[in-house]
Amino acid sequence: AQSVTQLDSQVPVFEEAPVELRCNYSSSVSVYLFWYVQYPNQGLQLLLKYLSGSTLVKGINGFEAEFNKSQTSFHLRKPSVHISDTAEYFCAVSWNTDKLIFGTGTRLQVFP
Amino acid sequence: NAGVTQTPKFQVLKTGQSMTLQCAQDMNHNSMYWYRQDPGMGLRLIYYSASEGTTDKGEVPNGYNVSRLNKREFSLRLESAAPSQTSVYFCASSEGGLANYEQYFGPGTRLTVT
Repeated sequence: AQSVTQLDSQVPVFEEAPVELRCNYSSSVSVYLFWYVQYPNQGLQLLLKYLSGSTLVKGINGFEAEFNKSQTSFHLRKPSVHISDTAEYFCAVSWNTDKLIFGTGTRLQVFP
Repeated sequence: NAGVTQTPKFQVLKTGQSMTLQCAQDMNHNSMYWYRQDPGMGLRLIYYSASEGTTDKGEVPNGYNVSRLNKREFSLRLESAAPSQTSVYFCASSEGGLANYEQYFGPGTRLTVT
């Protein structure tokens, strides 16, 4: 069965430090890849997506992610985080279907 | 544009009671989705509607029914609530049938079943 794995349930980091949130998925065949962010007590909103083309994708709020087909990964990065980036981040994958499979989420906690 | 709206925001039910969660979108989207979010489990798809007049089961459909009332509205019904259905429920919509389109989420309904 297709699956999405976010190994880190929580990532603590100090403000202005770089961060990487990891996402791996089960198969590279015809995938569409997404990162969503959920701020406290809100719904999810799209950070960025990879459909095709350049493997480095830039999103909102200074985030970027790289599609690595051989490693079946789509890790999210930001070179310098802010307190306001504290949120839960979800990786989601579609295998060319009408459904998204979400990972279990990574809670990013940014400390001053 | 209000985007995706959900009612109610909070609800407490007793075991065995029924209720309907309402969802509406004003973006003229074709596809709509219902998810539940539980700690440590991410979002799991309950039901979805790829277009008006169609509905399909997702990963966790047991205990739920849905109605795509028209293009704007997609409701989720719990016929006989159970404590295992305590969760946060999100409705989402997207432009197209394939999941390469961005999904837009509502603010959620926090449901507690005692």
